[in-house]
Amino acid sequence: SSELTQDPAVSVALGQTVRITCQGDSLRSYYASWYQQKPGQAPVLVIYGKNNRPSGIPDRFSGSSSGNTASLTITGAQAEDEADYYCNSRDSSGNFWVFGGGTKLTVL
Amino acid sequence: QVQLQQWGAGLLKPSETLSLTCAVYGGSFSGYYWSWIRQPPGKGLEWIGEINHSGSTNYNPSLKSRVTISVDTSKNQFSLKLSSVTAADTAVYYCARGLRGYSNQYYYYMDVWGKGTTVTVSS
Repeated sequence: SSELTQDPAVSVALGQTVRITCQGDSLRSYYASWYQQKPGQAPVLVIYGKNNRPSGIPDRFSGSSSGNTASLTITGAQAEDEADYYCNSRDSSGNFWVFGGGTKLTVL
Repeated sequence: QVQLQQWGAGLLKPSETLSLTCAVYGGSFSGYYWSWIRQPPGKGLEWIGEINHSGSTNYNPSLKSRVTISVDTSKNQFSLKLSSVTAADTAVYYCARGLRGYSNQYYYYMDVWGKGTTVTVSS
């Protein structure tokens, strides 16, 4: 399968912990990467590999994986974390990139 | 610090060919996957296709018949052409650098993105 499935919307209270999930058969073969996108801006990589953060990404962002499900966890969500989040990986053949449909995170 | 700068025509008529170019500054061109991604208004990200430094390409099967991605390694640039555009091709188009790593299993990610080019198809 070449699809990655995400919940369309998730909300979290300020300072609380939220998990955003991504499901797909290809995630049994490849770790997902995660991107944050704010309105009018290009996506920004926040998590890649088993649980790696690019320079400049706060350590409240973390990633995990189990079976066909990848998760992005924000521990102590901040107002500036309100954004759309996309997961991404190769498809099961390894030849194509696939994106999840995105999750809109609201910080209450 | 690697940067991607992209440009191209922003307004097209139906049936025309979309043409965009992305230049890579501050880094090597080889060893990476160079992709085009698009995002229709209010919708999610859609991968269009990729090319590597040697010119090997992969395309999204849903767009393959209309897409051509090429590379000019002498200029560290890669380009997208999408033929026979319709209103459904209206989107922000991004270029991005992709790479692969390994830690118990392989992983792929896009670590550098262009700022995006808004393309509108309208008669």
